[in-house]
Amino acid sequence: SAVISQKPSRDICQRGTSLTIQCQVDSQVTMMFWYRQQPGQSLTLIATANQGSEATYESGFVIDKFPISRPNLTFSTLTVSNMSPEDSSIYLCSVEVGLAGVGTDTQYFGPGTRLTVL
Amino acid sequence: RKEVEQDPGPFNVPEGATVAFNCTYSNSASQSFFWYRQDCRKEPKLLMSVYSSGNEDGRFTAQLNRASQYISLLIRDSKLSDSATYLCVVRVIKAAGNKLTFGGGTRVLVKP
Repeated sequence: SAVISQKPSRDICQRGTSLTIQCQVDSQVTMMFWYRQQPGQSLTLIATANQGSEATYESGFVIDKFPISRPNLTFSTLTVSNMSPEDSSIYLCSVEVGLAGVGTDTQYFGPGTRLTVL
Repeated sequence: RKEVEQDPGPFNVPEGATVAFNCTYSNSASQSFFWYRQDCRKEPKLLMSVYSSGNEDGRFTAQLNRASQYISLLIRDSKLSDSATYLCVVRVIKAAGNKLTFGGGTRVLVKP
C-alpha cells in the first residue's frame, strides 16, 4: 500500500488567484495522478504525472490552467491557476502500486484538498 | 452515454439485510475492475478487485459479466458502518499508461 499526504487540506481563495497543492508519498512511485471531484460528482482524471517527463492531460484539462510538477518519485504538485468559482472542488492525488505489467495495480488516494473559490 | 454507469441510489437497507447493485461499462477493452468505497468527505478506498470468476471478501461478493459488460456488488448482513458511496471503477490498459474511469457512485444507507 502507500501512504499519501496532501497540503493544504482545504483552502478558500479569491477568484483570479492561484493555488498550489502538494502531494507526498511514503514510497517511490512511477506514476502519480491528479483527480478532481466536484460536489456530488464522481472522480475525473485531470492528468497523469510521470517523473522526468511532461504530464499527460485528459480531454478538457490544459497545462496552462493546471500546471503540474513532478520533481522526484515521491512528490508532485498541482497548481490551479486563475481560479474561478467553477474550480471549487476536491482535488485528489493518487498513486498506483503493484506488479508492473500484470494489470493488478491498485490506486491509492490522498485525503484530498477541498478548494472553495469565492 | 457515460463510460461507467451506476444507479446513484440511495439504497435504504435495513441492518442485517442484503443489498446488491450493478455497474455497467461501455468500453469492451476494459481489463480490470474494482469497487471502491467513499465515505462522506473522505477519499476513495479500495474495497475489492473484481475477478472474472467472481470473488468474495467476507460479507462482500463481486461478480463480473463480460458478455453483458457489467459488474455487481452484493453486501450480506449489512452493518451500519456499510453506509457509504460505492464507486465502480474500470481500468483500460493502454500503451500510454493505465487509465481508471470512475462511475458516479451508488449511495447505500444502512438503517437500524
